[in-house]
Amino acid sequence: QSALTQPASVSGSPGQSITISCTGTSSDIGTYKYVSWYQQRPGKAPQLMIYEVSNRPSGISNRFSGSKSGNTASLTITGLQAEDEADYYCSSHTIVNTLPYVIFGGGTKLTVL
Amino acid sequence: QLQLQESGPGLVTPSETLSLTCTVSGGSISSSSHHWAWVRQPPGKGLEWIGSIYYSGKTYYKPSLQSRVTITVDTSKNQFSLKMISVTAADTAIYYCTREENSSSDSWGQGTLVTVSS
Repeated sequence: QSALTQPASVSGSPGQSITISCTGTSSDIGTYKYVSWYQQRPGKAPQLMIYEVSNRPSGISNRFSGSKSGNTASLTITGLQAEDEADYYCSSHTIVNTLPYVIFGGGTKLTVL
Repeated sequence: QLQLQESGPGLVTPSETLSLTCTVSGGSISSSSHHWAWVRQPPGKGLEWIGSIYYSGKTYYKPSLQSRVTITVDTSKNQFSLKMISVTAADTAIYYCTREENSSSDSWGQGTLVTVSS
């Protein structure tokens, strides 16, 4: 099972909006609603930003939103701030040969210009 | 406030067994709503899900690692553990323990670096 596909990098200026895509298959993103997004700052553990495609955990800014269409999920960040500069990872539930597990994307480095 | 803390050797010899334990505090590992997972990250690379366990002992593993990995739970100590046999340099990574709900990790330990080297 290959990893989910994310762009290696995206960038934007403060105040702008950016979208990070995460492409999977009908065996993962295309079938299940269990898509998550994580933010990871250098030297830190990942932090959950979005779960079940579009839900934000308590304490996460509403500038972060998630969506899904077909086999592709997306994370959108509006009103970019310097503190948003980090690596972002998507993940999805999947089942292969009756075995359920979690698959991650390769990660996207967000640079705030 | 839930906290997870990984512990174990930071250096493992090639072909030997990697053993890590995650201690959960501020919450019960016997929660019916959660699984408990291990995720690793090679230096400078992305995240890789290794496997998870329910308090009952039911386990789930990434297929490509299943033959080398065992995850166990000790509810009396509020801990769960990872064993990985026959390690190589490719297993060098930061290992995180997490709490999972519906395949989403909402709490993470700080991570522990395990280096495989002779």
